[in-house]
Amino acid sequence: KAGVTQTPRYLIKTRGQQVTLSCSPISGHRSVSWYQQTPGQGLQFLFEYFSETQRNKGNFPGRFSGRQFSNSRSEMNVSTLELGDSALYLCASSDGLATETQYFGPGTRLLVL
Amino acid sequence: AQSVTQLDSQVPVFEEAPVELRCNYSSSVSVYLFWYVQYPNQGLQLLLKYLSGSTLVESINGFEAEFNKSQTSFHLRKPSVHISDTAEYFCAVSDSTGFQKLVFGTGTRLLVSP
Repeated sequence: KAGVTQTPRYLIKTRGQQVTLSCSPISGHRSVSWYQQTPGQGLQFLFEYFSETQRNKGNFPGRFSGRQFSNSRSEMNVSTLELGDSALYLCASSDGLATETQYFGPGTRLLVL
Repeated sequence: AQSVTQLDSQVPVFEEAPVELRCNYSSSVSVYLFWYVQYPNQGLQLLLKYLSGSTLVESINGFEAEFNKSQTSFHLRKPSVHISDTAEYFCAVSDSTGFQKLVFGTGTRLLVSP
């Protein structure tokens, strides 16, 4: 099976702009989770979608949002970008149960200038 | 809520030496425990996980970890490391009563030198 893919891999934006990142899960997986990785805060959970419904949410401001489509592909959007949003954004897919392994994509590296 | 502490930010070792990466967790409910590895410019890969049963779990590439409930620890060990094991290692927990939300430690960078 093909792994988790994320597009784009690299992105440069300026403060105030918005950005949309895409994640295609492993075929058959219905759960997609998003994580933010920064040197200062480490890996932090953003949110999880399962069958097009947000099932879990981390402690991020409302500028961070996401959605999932009927084919399980997911997008996350960050509006009004701030310098501190510069990070590696990782998505992970799984069957959806807590016991199931989450398979991570390579990430999208976002730089906000 | 859960939290994970990885006490060592960086562990330098020589090739073929043993290594232990420490992980302690805190949780008011039962948890599942994971070790992930991240190579430069890549995503995370699962090394091993503890769900239930035997407290000693092993990976296919020689790593093992032991769940110790009384000490709330899940240390990762390897008896003989290789240069290729150089990477960042993350310990993580998830709530066994809920769904998919991993809480990660801050990571330990393993540096293997010849």
